[in-house]
Amino acid sequence: DAGITQSPRHKVTETGTPVTLRCHQTENHRYMYWYRQDPGHGLRLIHYSYGVKDTDKGEVSDGYSVSRSKTEDFLLTLESATSSQTSVYFCAISDPGQGETQYFGPGTRLLVL
Amino acid sequence: GESVGLHLPTLSVQEGDNSIINCAYSNSASDYFIWYKQESGKGPQFIIDIRSNMDKRQGQRVTVLLNKTVKHLSLQIAATQPGDSAVYFCAGRAGNMLTFGGGTRLMVKP
Repeated sequence: DAGITQSPRHKVTETGTPVTLRCHQTENHRYMYWYRQDPGHGLRLIHYSYGVKDTDKGEVSDGYSVSRSKTEDFLLTLESATSSQTSVYFCAISDPGQGETQYFGPGTRLLVL
Repeated sequence: GESVGLHLPTLSVQEGDNSIINCAYSNSASDYFIWYKQESGKGPQFIIDIRSNMDKRQGQRVTVLLNKTVKHLSLQIAATQPGDSAVYFCAGRAGNMLTFGGGTRLMVKP
């Protein structure tokens, strides 16, 4: 998984609780991304980061926030989880200096009850 | 392709045969394409990529063909093996963003 870890790998939480997912990379890639994957929708971009403290919204950003205080870590926070946020979340990384491909982490499976 | 339905299309092939998986894209501004393989419970894995100034690119047992006229690309897998069983999907880049297709499930019969 190209030096990308995600934690936790599985989480069950209740509606209304805050949840933070972590993505950690050892590749020193500049760009980091958070996607969600749902049946019938493919991968959809939530937020991405193009550098430390530089982030932007993706296609499905409502209800999510992100932070990147270090090159290697990108956090995704669900401020108040809802059942519609039950999904599999993937982190990806890329770097313009090392090609254009995005490489993905192993994913976090989140269930919101 | 990039328009997806509720159910993944499935391609079933015999071990040793060649597989062809297709993808249609809608954004004519897409200039770079990637094929990914995703096994159950795992993250997408890069297989091969192609830029829009190319028509064909070959890797180990895989070939990607790009037809910009009809906005179509395909992934050909030679001598398909049981380990090739997975979901395959394409992604196209326009600007800074990748847009992903819904995927095709490849099942390899022994």
